[in-house]
Amino acid sequence: NAGVTQTPKFRILKIGQSMTLQCAQDMNHNYMYWYRQDPGMGLKLIYYSVGAGITDKGEVPNGYNVSRSTTEDFPLRLELAAPSQTSVYFCASTEGRETQYFGPGTRLLVL
Amino acid sequence: AQSVTQLGSHVSVSEGALVLLRCNYSSSVPPYLFWYVQYPNQGLQLLLKYTTGATLVKGINGFEAEFKKSETSFHLTKPSAHMSDAAEYFCAVSESGTGGFKTIFGAGTRLFVKA
Repeated sequence: NAGVTQTPKFRILKIGQSMTLQCAQDMNHNYMYWYRQDPGMGLKLIYYSVGAGITDKGEVPNGYNVSRSTTEDFPLRLELAAPSQTSVYFCASTEGRETQYFGPGTRLLVL
Repeated sequence: AQSVTQLGSHVSVSEGALVLLRCNYSSSVPPYLFWYVQYPNQGLQLLLKYTTGATLVKGINGFEAEFKKSETSFHLTKPSAHMSDAAEYFCAVSESGTGGFKTIFGAGTRLFVKA
């Protein structure tokens, strides 16, 4: 099993550009999450999904969008990149309240 | 809403010394509690978890944590620190709401191990 995979690993965006961060899991988990991690700030939940076709906002959803058309994939969309979105983004999956499995992260720099 | 507080953003210990990382939580329901570790440039991975049953939980790499309901604490300990333990550690609590389960993470504690 590959677990949770994320692409790309690193990306530089110009202000106003858009991009999609990809996340996929092969553990057949219903729950998937997107977090951002800023230095000294821990993890902040952006969006999450409890199953295909169902998504909900987390703590910091502004400037992001998600979709969940399959159990495996949970892409995160940035429509108009801003410097405040410079961060490391982690995707995770789990079943219910159990252990979350994290991807390796995507490092995003917006200039 | 549930919350997690980790006391101390940085902890420094000598190799061979006791490691103690503090975590307090708030929860209106019986909590599921977790400790995760993050090594540089990697995602988080599970160290240990408490769901139900025995309150002293053992994890990987010699770490353990004790759930104390009366103190709303879940402190992480290791008797003897090793250089390879240097990393960032996150305490977390699982929350149940109308939208399903979410995990609330503490701000993290960076552990430094001195030779």
